[in-house]
This record gives sequence, C-alpha cells and structure tokens, in this order.
Amino acid sequence: AQSVAQPEDQVNVAEGNPLTVKCTYSVSGNPYLFWYVQYPNRGLQFLLKYITGDNLVKGSYGFEAEFNKSQTSFHLKKPSALVSDSALYFCAVFWENNNDMRFGAGTRLTVKP
Amino acid sequence: DSGVTQTPKHLITATGQRVTLRCSPRSGDLSVYWYQQSLDQGLQFLIQYYNGEERAKGNILERFSAQQFPDLHSELNLSSLELGDSALYFCASSVVAGGRTGELFFGEGSRLTVL
Repeated sequence: AQSVAQPEDQVNVAEGNPLTVKCTYSVSGNPYLFWYVQYPNRGLQFLLKYITGDNLVKGSYGFEAEFNKSQTSFHLKKPSALVSDSALYFCAVFWENNNDMRFGAGTRLTVKP
Repeated sequence: DSGVTQTPKHLITATGQRVTLRCSPRSGDLSVYWYQQSLDQGLQFLIQYYNGEERAKGNILERFSAQQFPDLHSELNLSSLELGDSALYFCASSVVAGGRTGELFFGEGSRLTVL
C-alpha cells in the first residue's frame, strides 16, 4: 500500500539554526509532493509542492524542500529557523495513477529562542 | 484566509446523536475533501467529491455520509455518535479532482466533542 512516513514526531531546534523535517514515501509512479503547516487551532496551510523539474523547491516563509528520487524523500528545510516557525508540519503525497493522496502523521517543530 | 468556510466551529453533543458539518469551498473550486484529525490517528482522509460526484473514499465509517450539492457546498453527516468520534473535522477544496497540480486549501475546521 502507498504510504507517507514522517519518521520524527518532534523536532527541536534553536532559533537561527537550520532545520530539517523529514518525509519519505513509498515508490509508485511519479508522485506529486506537498508540505503543509498547521498552527494551533488553525487549518492546514500550503507551503510548497514538487510536481516536476528542479529538485529543490522554494516555498512560503523561506522554506524549501529537496526531492530525492533515489531515496524517495522530500525533506523540508529552512536555513535559519524562527520561533514563529513552531508548528505542526505535514508532508503529503499524491499518486496520480490511482488518484490517492495521503498525509504523513505530522512532525511538531519547536524553535527555541 | 483560505477562502474555505466551515460551520459550526465548535459542536458539543451526546453519544447516539447525529450532527451535520457544512463546508463552502473556495470560489471556483470543484473538489471538496473531508478529513478527520484526532490526537491518536493523525489526519485521516474520509471522502472526496468532485463537481457533485463522489470521487474517492478513505477511512469513512458507515455511520458517516457526505454529499456535495449543485452549488458545490458540501455536508458531512455523522450519526450514532460515539466518544471516539470526537475530533477536528477539516474540509479542503481544490480546483482539480486530485492533487495533480493544485494544492488543497483547508478550512479552519469543526471541532466535535461527543460526551
């Protein structure tokens, strides 16, 4: 079955340090990849997506993600974390061959001053 | 503001009861998705409608049903409610039928508490 994995429930970083939130997915066709962020008591907000082209995708709020086909990964990154980046981050994958879209379990990012 | 409107924002009810959650998608979006978010299950896909037709079904219980109306708004009906149905229910919309090129736009959610 197709699946999305976010191996870390929690990521803690200090403000100003780089951050990485990991995402891997099961192999099947050419998936489309997304990252969403959820702030407390809010709905999910789109950050960025990879459909095709350059493996490094830039998105909102200074975030970027790197698509690695051989490792079936789509890790979210930011060069310098802000306290306001603290939130729940979801990776999502859409497999066009069977119209299946799945979300990872989410990773809670905490950025400490 | 995503442009997706969900009502009610909060709902408290008792076991065995029935509730209806309503979603108005972004203007022009034909697809509506329903998700359930709970602490122990994460974000679970329930069902998707595209232009009034059911397009995909996820982990939706038989006690739950949904529909999309001609004006494209959607309703999620939850019946014979159990304590475990307490969760945040999100509606999302997109222009296309799947995640092909378009991202999903999420509403603020309806928090259901079953006592």
